[in-house]
Amino acid sequence: AQKVTQAQTEISVVEKEDVTLDCVYETRDTTYYLFWYKQPPSGELVFLIRRNSFDEQNEISGRYSWNFQKSTSSFNFTITASQVVDSAVYFCALSEVDSSYKLIFGSGTRLLVRP
Amino acid sequence: AAGVIQSPRHLIKEKRETATLKCYPIPRHDTVYWYQQGPGQDPQFLISFYEKMQSDKGSIPDRFSAQQFSDYHSELNMSSLELGDSALYFCASSLQGAEGYTFGSGTRLTVV
Repeated sequence: AQKVTQAQTEISVVEKEDVTLDCVYETRDTTYYLFWYKQPPSGELVFLIRRNSFDEQNEISGRYSWNFQKSTSSFNFTITASQVVDSAVYFCALSEVDSSYKLIFGSGTRLLVRP
Repeated sequence: AAGVIQSPRHLIKEKRETATLKCYPIPRHDTVYWYQQGPGQDPQFLISFYEKMQSDKGSIPDRFSAQQFSDYHSELNMSSLELGDSALYFCASSLQGAEGYTFGSGTRLTVV
């Protein structure tokens, strides 16, 4: 069965520190997609990235980077030089072709960046 | 670019009342999804529609129903509301699976 685990419930860092949010997933499908979303206090879900299971290339977007490793079923997210505006809840999610592409979310990691 | 539009943004209802949430997907997107996010919880899948036909169903209470209309907008109807139905309800749309998967801003339902 599909499952997403975000073991870190809350992380607190001081501004400018680097922080890595962990995501481990379980799936039997060979074709699937992984997502990261940011949910600020206002509540909307802000899309950060989508990767498919055939593309293990790491990606960097500004201060954000993602490390996808199929061997360990992990899709970790790193924020470099964190800022107060990065404070939010971050969700990792899995979408499978055989499950109508619905998203299965992890429980989320609350990130607090202190000035 | 057009986004997924949800209305209303906020809704307050009393117990046992009925609520209708609306979702307007991105034009040409063929799939609509509904999710429920309780306080401090992650979003949970409720139901989805592909080309106006129900394509998948999650843990959606029998008191809830949904449909997608000919213009592709979707409505989530919730009857006999309970306090535990208070949540953020998100609609998302996509094209051909995971392409362009986009969430609306959500409807915050409060049941008092």
